[in-house]
Amino acid sequence: QITLKESGPTLVKPTQTLTLTCTFSGFSLSTSGVGVAWIRQPPGQALEWLAGIHWNDEIRYSTSLRSRLTITKDTSRDQVVLTMTNMDPVDTATYYCAHRLIWQGLDYWGQGALVTVSS
Amino acid sequence: DIQMTQSPSTLSASVGDRVTITCRASQSVKSWLAWYQQKPGKAPKLLIYKASSLENGVPSRFSGSGSGTEFTFTISSLQPDDFATYYCQQYSTYSWTFGQGTKVEIK
Repeated sequence: QITLKESGPTLVKPTQTLTLTCTFSGFSLSTSGVGVAWIRQPPGQALEWLAGIHWNDEIRYSTSLRSRLTITKDTSRDQVVLTMTNMDPVDTATYYCAHRLIWQGLDYWGQGALVTVSS
Repeated sequence: DIQMTQSPSTLSASVGDRVTITCRASQSVKSWLAWYQQKPGKAPKLLIYKASSLENGVPSRFSGSGSGTEFTFTISSLQPDDFATYYCQQYSTYSWTFGQGTKVEIK
């Protein structure tokens, strides 16, 4: 059974760096074809894909946010970490992590973590 | 980045209706397209991947078609549980993108 769960601060101040951790079970990020992605959704708005990391260490970032994002994996701890620098109130959103198999969609999602950016 | 444009943005329909949503890509994504259903306060749920492949456990009333830049998502007979927002997502290029969503409302 695959599960994922996001954890991190619920409130960050403008200009601070956000660090979110996705802790998963039921799969390994060292298995061929497996990846984990981060997606966010501002209140009442659409989904926005942020970044993805794969079993072969391939990393992908949103073009528009690339300069602010870093995604890493810790295979031994079954975790993926996303950092986003220079947070702004417009970054207020629910942040999700999700599992994928290569050439398929995002088939398992975490419950999401609401992050508010405010001074 | 590839832009994904869904239409309509909102759709009003009744139980039993056939519902169709269109997703257009600003350039070819071949068949690397997925469809998701999202209900308020919940994470999205994968329904369709690779344009037309039905995810395990998803009812057969959901279907997808298309390739290149034009894709269609269909619910053959709308059920009460289907009132939700639906998103397309391309995963063809380095940077993936979602459509803006289509809200299916009760008529």
